[in-house]
Amino acid sequence: AQTVTQSQPEMSVQEAETVTLSCTYDTSESDYYLFWYKQPPSRQMILVIRQEAYKQQNATENRFSVNFQKAAKSFSLKISDSQLGDAAMYFCAYSDTGGFKTIFGAGTRLFVKA
Amino acid sequence: DVKVTQSSRYLVKRTGEKVFLECVQDMDHENMFWYRQDPGLGLRLIYFSYDVKMKEKGDIPEGYSVSREKKERFSLILESASTNQTSMYLCASSSPGRFRTDTQYFGPGTRLTVL
Repeated sequence: AQTVTQSQPEMSVQEAETVTLSCTYDTSESDYYLFWYKQPPSRQMILVIRQEAYKQQNATENRFSVNFQKAAKSFSLKISDSQLGDAAMYFCAYSDTGGFKTIFGAGTRLFVKA
Repeated sequence: DVKVTQSSRYLVKRTGEKVFLECVQDMDHENMFWYRQDPGLGLRLIYFSYDVKMKEKGDIPEGYSVSREKKERFSLILESASTNQTSMYLCASSSPGRFRTDTQYFGPGTRLTVL
């Protein structure tokens, strides 16, 4: 069965600095999606970034980028120029052709210090 | 923008009560999901639906049921609430992409407390 592991329950970063959140996953599939979702305090969870496994190029969205290492089954999120509004719980997630389920990691809570 | 709404942000119920949580999405999405979110456990899938009147069990369906009579509405029912069902409940919707499900759009969540 597929699993998603986020080994960092909490992280903190100074405003304007860069932080990297880690995610590893386990699958025997070759084609799948990987996602990072952000859940700000008391607000709705939203998509940050999405990567299709067959695309070798790492996805980027403004200050957010991923380091996708398919062979190592690693999918880390880099946040550059951190802002106070980046403080949130971040979830790594996986889905594939097998069905409707998306598998979520346990989450990493990011604190941003002013 | 996709909008997913949930009927209540906070709910307090007593043990044994029947509880209804409602979710509505306005983007004509085929897929709808109910998750439970607990600290340290991430999101766990309770039930999902890929079409009107169709439903499938997720990973933790025990003690829950669902209803999808209209495409935009997906209801979660706790038949007899228990204290171990105190949790945050998240609804989500998505459309198929290359796979059966793609990016999910979430509601604001319902924090349910069962006393």
